Amino acid sequence: DGGITQSPKYLFRKEGQNVTLSCEQNLNHDAMYWYRQDPGQGLRLIYYSQIVNDFQKGDIAEGYSVSREKKESFPLTVTSAQKNPTAFYLCASSIGEFNQPQHFGDGTRLSIL
Amino acid sequence: KNQVEQSPQSLIILEGKNCTLQCNYTVSPFSNLRWYKQDTGRGPVSLTIMTFSENTKSNGRYTATLDADTKQSSLHITASQLSDSASYICVVSAAGKSTFGDGTTLTVKP
Repeated sequence: DGGITQSPKYLFRKEGQNVTLSCEQNLNHDAMYWYRQDPGQGLRLIYYSQIVNDFQKGDIAEGYSVSREKKESFPLTVTSAQKNPTAFYLCASSIGEFNQPQHFGDGTRLSIL
Repeated sequence: KNQVEQSPQSLIILEGKNCTLQCNYTVSPFSNLRWYKQDTGRGPVSLTIMTFSENTKSNGRYTATLDADTKQSSLHITASQLSDSASYICVVSAAGKSTFGDGTTLTVKP
């Protein structure tokens, strides 16, 4: 079955540590996105990529980094510069631009130790 | 500033009852409006997508309506089931950007 796989499901970060969240899709979608979800709030865009080897900052990119070396993969690194990383992180993909329906993974919950 | 506002913030209904969730937006120019269902601890799943020219779209017991003139949409759930307990998110797309509402949390009780 086609879909988006995020791993791990739960992740814990120590002070000063960088952590990387994995996102893989087999839908052959060109565009991929990372969102952050905090309780009671709407999804906020961190980064997005519409083509391999290219990505753009979203609304809350500070403290995060991404890469897009393969069409299928779009990992997100939460750096030590992100002072409030505790959140639910969602990866999504779509055929083309933002106007297209997005398919979401089941998220990674990141917590601070 | 483009905004998407959903109401109510939370809702509790009894199993078998109907309910309606609201979404008001100021996003312009409008491209499409999508409703998603998000179960606790899971990613959102698409329910419906409507373009400017559509005013009704159904998906089983879910019916979405759109009034592009007043910039309002609603999601009507018929004969609710316990499995309908979730957050429902309204997303409006325009000019290369998607704006997410904060969601309505629906609890269906037996």
